[in-house]
Amino acid sequence: NAGVMQNPRHLVRRRGQEARLRCSPVKGHSHVYWYRQLPEEGLKFMVYLQKENIIDESGMPKERFSAEFPKEGPSILRIQQVVRGDSAAYFCASSPDRQVEKLFFGSGTQLSVL
Amino acid sequence: QKEVEQNSGPLSVPEGAIASLNCTYSDRGSQSFFWYRQYSGKSPELIMSIYSNGDKEDGRFTAQLNKASQYVSLLIRDSQPSDSATYLCAVNIGDTGFQKLVFGTGTRLLVSP
Repeated sequence: NAGVMQNPRHLVRRRGQEARLRCSPVKGHSHVYWYRQLPEEGLKFMVYLQKENIIDESGMPKERFSAEFPKEGPSILRIQQVVRGDSAAYFCASSPDRQVEKLFFGSGTQLSVL
Repeated sequence: QKEVEQNSGPLSVPEGAIASLNCTYSDRGSQSFFWYRQYSGKSPELIMSIYSNGDKEDGRFTAQLNKASQYVSLLIRDSQPSDSATYLCAVNIGDTGFQKLVFGTGTRLLVSP
């Protein structure tokens, strides 16, 4: 009974490269949330997706960032042309429905931009 | 004004003491509130949820909610060194349409032996 799986755990990129972060939700969960945590800060909401749909992307920067949750496969958070300010821990959480009370968090991906 | 505010700390308490963590929020329509614990380098884990005014107890943890004052607190009795972590207050912003959790910046708790 696997929980939310995120990979890679650590990702190192040079400025200008692309970063792809993967999140496999708990089996049967169709709702995925992405959060970003900068050092010494709380979690900042980025985007909320259901299968094949973006429901709320109000926390995601308009440029360079995109997210998807296809019918098959994991949710992907994609950051193009990374900059040093993108260095952070990115957490994915899933739930079986719209109720955030049932949110399960993954272990996160630590992105370091050199 | 930030949606969810917490004192960043650190809050230092001796082992066996009561640790009191506080949080205020700005959205009067919020109906559900959560406390998460996060150890350094780890993911947040849910320790308490509260929906009604008053106190809710679970073992050594007590959550307190005052919607009129827009205030949530977490008390940890008989604090242990293993309780040393960052405690994140989260508020459910949204309605039955879709919801999201908004987090405070967290309060770092240090429990000394």
